[in-house]
Amino acid sequence: KAGVTQTPRYLIKTRGQQVTLSCSPISGHRSVSWYQQTPGQGLQFLFEYFSETQRNKGNFPGRFSGRQFSNSRSEMNVSTLELGDSALYLCASRMASSYNSPLHFGNGTRLTVT
Amino acid sequence: SQQGEEDPQALSIQEGENATMNCSYKTSINNLQWYRQNSGRGLVHLILIRSNEREKHSGRLRVTLDTSKKSSSLLITASRAADTASYFCATDNIIQGAQKLVFGQGTRLTINP
Repeated sequence: KAGVTQTPRYLIKTRGQQVTLSCSPISGHRSVSWYQQTPGQGLQFLFEYFSETQRNKGNFPGRFSGRQFSNSRSEMNVSTLELGDSALYLCASRMASSYNSPLHFGNGTRLTVT
Repeated sequence: SQQGEEDPQALSIQEGENATMNCSYKTSINNLQWYRQNSGRGLVHLILIRSNEREKHSGRLRVTLDTSKKSSSLLITASRAADTASYFCATDNIIQGAQKLVFGQGTRLTINP
């Protein structure tokens, strides 16, 4: 079974631009979560989608948005990029709607904002 | 704010020794999970322990949970160079009415050959 796939692997953008990151979950997994990882803040929860609906949202500004498609693939978008948005963005999928099932992570997208 | 706090932040030991990492949390939980992350990669799930369990084993890994002290520990026995990674605990709890998995800051483990 293929793992969680995130594209692109690396991305360099300038301030003010917008970016879209993509995540393909493990086949059969209906929940997709997104996390931002930085050296200073660690792993911060962005949002979770389940069956195309946003179930949970972290404490991020409205510039961060996401969506999930009928095939469970997910995208997240960041508009008006700021230097502080430079981070590793991790996507994770799981089969069930309960956190008693573990998260399966992709290798992330490394975003650098200059 | 982070729910889990790992201790120590960094740990360096010799190959073959045992490594112990601790995690403390603040609110009641449904379960606690441990993950490993190799540099620049995604996290890999290691073990999940439910709130009504006290100890769990998986290969060279042993996890304990003390809900009265709101703490957990991860023991890696007979460490190997390949165990070099960051280790995170994550707690499953209800925050502001929503169920969330919240990660600690992690322990960076280095195994010296």
